[in-house]
Amino acid sequence: EAGVAQSPRYKIIEKRQSVAFWCNPISGHATLYWYQQILGQGPKLLIQFQNNGVVDDSQLPKDRFSAERLKGVDSTLKIQPAKLEDSAVYLCASSPTWGTGHTEAFFGQGTRLTVV
Amino acid sequence: AQSVTQLGSHVSVSEGALVLLRCNYSSSVPPYLFWYVQYPNQGLQLLLKYTSAATLVKGINGFEAEFKKSETSFHLTKPSAHMSDAAEYFCAVSPSNGNQFYFGTGTSLTVIP
Repeated sequence: EAGVAQSPRYKIIEKRQSVAFWCNPISGHATLYWYQQILGQGPKLLIQFQNNGVVDDSQLPKDRFSAERLKGVDSTLKIQPAKLEDSAVYLCASSPTWGTGHTEAFFGQGTRLTVV
Repeated sequence: AQSVTQLGSHVSVSEGALVLLRCNYSSSVPPYLFWYVQYPNQGLQLLLKYTSAATLVKGINGFEAEFKKSETSFHLTKPSAHMSDAAEYFCAVSPSNGNQFYFGTGTSLTVIP
């Protein structure tokens, strides 16, 4: 089966600019996650969707970050305006609906954002 | 709240030596536990998972991990390291009644020829 697709792979922007990342999860996966991975750290959950509803966005900096999953399939994560500390890899992951017997999250290759 | 602690941010082993990467979890009920590997400029790939079946779990590439409830541990081992094992390894926890995933800070494995 096709994996989680993310684009772009790399992005360099100046501080105060805006940027958007796109993710297409594995077909049929109801749950979609966006993680932020700062260099040398583990992934930190930014937002979790179940279909097109938000399950958890407690660690999303809502003053500058936004995410949507309008039709319950692909998703977009936006940063506006970007700060230097937003430099990180943004990972998208998906998993089937909990309770179906599959419990792991499947990850895309990530988007490496550099803010200069 | 659930969390995992990975002891040792950097581990170096000689090629052919035992690999041991440590992970301890914090959870009020036995959770699901995972080990993921990340190669440079790649996403995370699942190595193995514990989902309340057998406590000794075998994964890909010769890795295995043992769930020890009494020690709240889920250490990752491999009998003989290969050069290709050099990567970043992450332990993750997920509640048995949900599908959130919380990651440790990672352990960078270096394999010395």
